[in-house]
Amino acid sequence: EPEVTQTPSHQVTQMGQEVILRCVPISNHLYFYWYRQILGQKVEFLVSFYNNEISEKSEIFDDQFSVERPDGSNFTLKIRSTKLEDSAMYFCASNKAGVGTDTQYFGPGTRLTVL
Amino acid sequence: AQSVSQHNHHVILSEAASLELGCNYSYGGTVNLFWYVQYPGQHLQLLLKYFSGDPLVKGIKGFEAEFIKSKFSFNLRKPSVQWSDTAEYFCAVISNAGNMLTFGGGTRLMVKP
Repeated sequence: EPEVTQTPSHQVTQMGQEVILRCVPISNHLYFYWYRQILGQKVEFLVSFYNNEISEKSEIFDDQFSVERPDGSNFTLKIRSTKLEDSAMYFCASNKAGVGTDTQYFGPGTRLTVL
Repeated sequence: AQSVSQHNHHVILSEAASLELGCNYSYGGTVNLFWYVQYPGQHLQLLLKYFSGDPLVKGIKGFEAEFIKSKFSFNLRKPSVQWSDTAEYFCAVISNAGNMLTFGGGTRLMVKP
């Protein structure tokens, strides 16, 4: 069964550095998402992406964050200047139809640690 | 805005015990409801979902959930848990036209053999 994959599984960075988290969505899916979970807190929506554009974003997704589909398979989340509070597990997800009735399939996550 | 509450943060059960995990949501319109499970070291996987129709939905691994609209609840149940059900369980909601999942805080279930 096809799965969403994410790399790296764990990223450690210094405060102020840029990081890029990578995701490979399921191949015939058209809608892509990023969520994050700070330790001990809820999984929170960051952004959704379709047809090379952001379709929805949360208040968390400020100017420090950006997303890109650089080629036909990868979907990336960039954090320009990391802060301590960006430390979290970041999950990528994808689905075909992008509506509420269509299940989102999640990757295993990237644990980002900002020192 | 949508919100989801899961009442139990940690649950410890012995094998063969029955399980019920509570989930309540707040949203003014039509919602779709999900239970996801995350086994240790693995990704979030769909257990079951409710969109419409029969409010009692059955999922994988013997899990079921009941949507009670009047109570804004979508509780997860399993009649007899196994050690392999040890995991974290997340309730989530999404509006019909939306694509943003709103998650509850999760319930960490430990099943003792």
